[in-house]
Amino acid sequence: GAVVSQHPSRVICKSGTSVKIECRSLDFQATTMFWYRQFPKQSLMLMATSNEGSKATYEQGVEKDKFLINHASLTLSTLTVTSAHPEDSSFYICSAGPSSYEQYFGPGTRLTVT
Amino acid sequence: DAKTTQPTSMDCAEGRAANLPCNHSTISGNEYVYWYRQIHSQGPQYIIHGLKNNETNEMASLIITEDRKSSTLILPHATLRDTAVYYCIVRVGGAAGNKLTFGGGTRVLVKP
Repeated sequence: GAVVSQHPSRVICKSGTSVKIECRSLDFQATTMFWYRQFPKQSLMLMATSNEGSKATYEQGVEKDKFLINHASLTLSTLTVTSAHPEDSSFYICSAGPSSYEQYFGPGTRLTVT
Repeated sequence: DAKTTQPTSMDCAEGRAANLPCNHSTISGNEYVYWYRQIHSQGPQYIIHGLKNNETNEMASLIITEDRKSSTLILPHATLRDTAVYYCIVRVGGAAGNKLTFGGGTRVLVKP
């Protein structure tokens, strides 16, 4: 299947700082990418849909000013967690697909805010 | 998107077939059935998807009932590495913006 990468795989930051997570499609172009968050022992929850060249679409309850999404090219979407707090500690996962019928997931980024 | 119902957990024996059921009684005609699995601390892995015909690939088989209200994922020879949470998801096909909505999934433990 197609390959989606994320960077970094793990990050620890201090409370109040911002953290940027990258999601790349390595062997295909993606006009749409998705960002998910997963807390321990829970399922994945969709945070937002990232659209190349336009604004992201956020799910209900997700603060767009806190979770900034930029999809500046057909192979890269970034999620910036601004002014991170310990409750933002989670596993962040992106997905993208080479066609409307396929979605592949990145390996995830574990964020720990101290 | 239609909602799915899966057993919370199940055990299966290594080397035997694992049959994972999924109910999706409100599925619409343009919704596909997708299966993903997530091994601990990794991103979900695509397994298979189908619309109404049974499908088979190198990982698994997908059996969809004629009324499309339920399906079964079959892992033909389970190995210890198949221990994971398996998610059955229904999703409208045909548009890149159609998101995947995850339910609770089935936690599968393959035992020696």
